[in-house]
Amino acid sequence: EAGVAQSPRYKIIEKRQSVAFWCNPISGHATLYWYQQILGQGPKLLIQFQNNGVVDDSQLPKDRFSAERLKGVDSTLKIQPAKLEDSAVYLCASSLARRTRWSEAFFGQGTRLTVV
Amino acid sequence: AQSVAQPEDQVNVAEGNPLTVKCTYSVSGNPYLFWYVQYPNRGLQFLLKYITGDNLVKGSYGFEAEFNKSQTSFHLKKPSALVSDSALYFCAVREFFSGNTPLVFGKGTRLSVIA
Repeated sequence: EAGVAQSPRYKIIEKRQSVAFWCNPISGHATLYWYQQILGQGPKLLIQFQNNGVVDDSQLPKDRFSAERLKGVDSTLKIQPAKLEDSAVYLCASSLARRTRWSEAFFGQGTRLTVV
Repeated sequence: AQSVAQPEDQVNVAEGNPLTVKCTYSVSGNPYLFWYVQYPNRGLQFLLKYITGDNLVKGSYGFEAEFNKSQTSFHLKKPSALVSDSALYFCAVREFFSGNTPLVFGKGTRLSVIA
């Protein structure tokens, strides 16, 4: 089966600019996650969707980050305006169902963002 | 709050030797535990998980992990390391209780297998 698709793979922007990342999860996966992975750290959850509804966005910096999952399939994550500390790899992941808490998540290759 | 500790930033092992990557966790109740591997410029790949039952869990590529409740550990092991096992390894935990809890990752351990 096809994996989680993300684009772009790399992005370089200046601080205060805006940027958007796109994710297409594995077909049939109701749960979608966006993680931020800063160099030298483990991934940190930004937001979790169940279908097109937000389940957890407690760690999303809502003053500058936004995410949506229209129609419960693809998702976009936006940063506006970007700060230097937003430089990281943004990982999208999906899993089969929220209730199945033991389900593993499948990750995309990530988007490496550099803010200069 | 749940947390994961990977005490070693780097583990070096000779090819053919057994390897261990350490992980300890902290949760209020029972845990779901996972290991992921990350190769350069690749996303995280699932290796194995502990849900319940047998404390020794077998996963992909010959890896296994042992759940030890008394020591709150979930160390990753492999009897004979390969150079191709060199990568970044992440342990993750999710708390077992009703409601939604996120998967929390450790900071990762870089494994280097030397030929």
